Amino acid sequence: NAGVMQNPRHLVRRRGQEARLRCSPMKGHSHVYWYRQLPEEGLKFMVYLQKENIIDESGMPKERFSAEFPKEGPSILRIQQVVRGDSAAYFCASSPRIGEEGYTFGSGTRLTVV
Amino acid sequence: GQNIDQPTEMTATEGAIVQINCTYQTSGFNGLFWYQQHAGEAPTFLSYNVLDGLEEKGRFSSFLSRSKGYSYLLLKELQMKDSASYLCAPKGGGFKTIFGAGTRLFVKA
Repeated sequence: NAGVMQNPRHLVRRRGQEARLRCSPMKGHSHVYWYRQLPEEGLKFMVYLQKENIIDESGMPKERFSAEFPKEGPSILRIQQVVRGDSAAYFCASSPRIGEEGYTFGSGTRLTVV
Repeated sequence: GQNIDQPTEMTATEGAIVQINCTYQTSGFNGLFWYQQHAGEAPTFLSYNVLDGLEEKGRFSSFLSRSKGYSYLLLKELQMKDSASYLCAPKGGGFKTIFGAGTRLFVKA
């Protein structure tokens, strides 16, 4: 049973380009969470999604960032017109339901904006 | 508001016991997690407390006091591989898990 799959593992983008980060949750998990981690800092919550629904996007920057979790396919975190400050590790986590289970995290996508 | 406070770094000796403290303030409370994160890797789940008291799981134990907004992670019989960051993560209202900046633990021989 594969864990949470994120790709790409590393992504380099020039300023102004778009970045698309993908996350396939564990089989049977319908809740997906995206977190951003800057070097030497903690994980910052960005968005919580269920299939076809954004439940909580209170951590998402108001501009340039969007997320979706379609009925079919992976969850996508999209960053338009990237800037150097977007360089970070982006982790996706999934859980089967809201409850006592901890999240299972993917290996992350390390975005570097040059 | 939401706030999580844990020490930035700790150092301990192989074979010893170390306690990592965490105080938190959240809007609502639905339990508290501890995660371990090795440098450059994803966090991995260690423990979950929702009621007051101590939960023991092998070499790792976690304690919670909801009235005090306080938790600790206890690591026994430290091994070199325990060198990592330990993240205190309360789950607030809306079932959103908030992560602290983490405590970097260095285990020395």
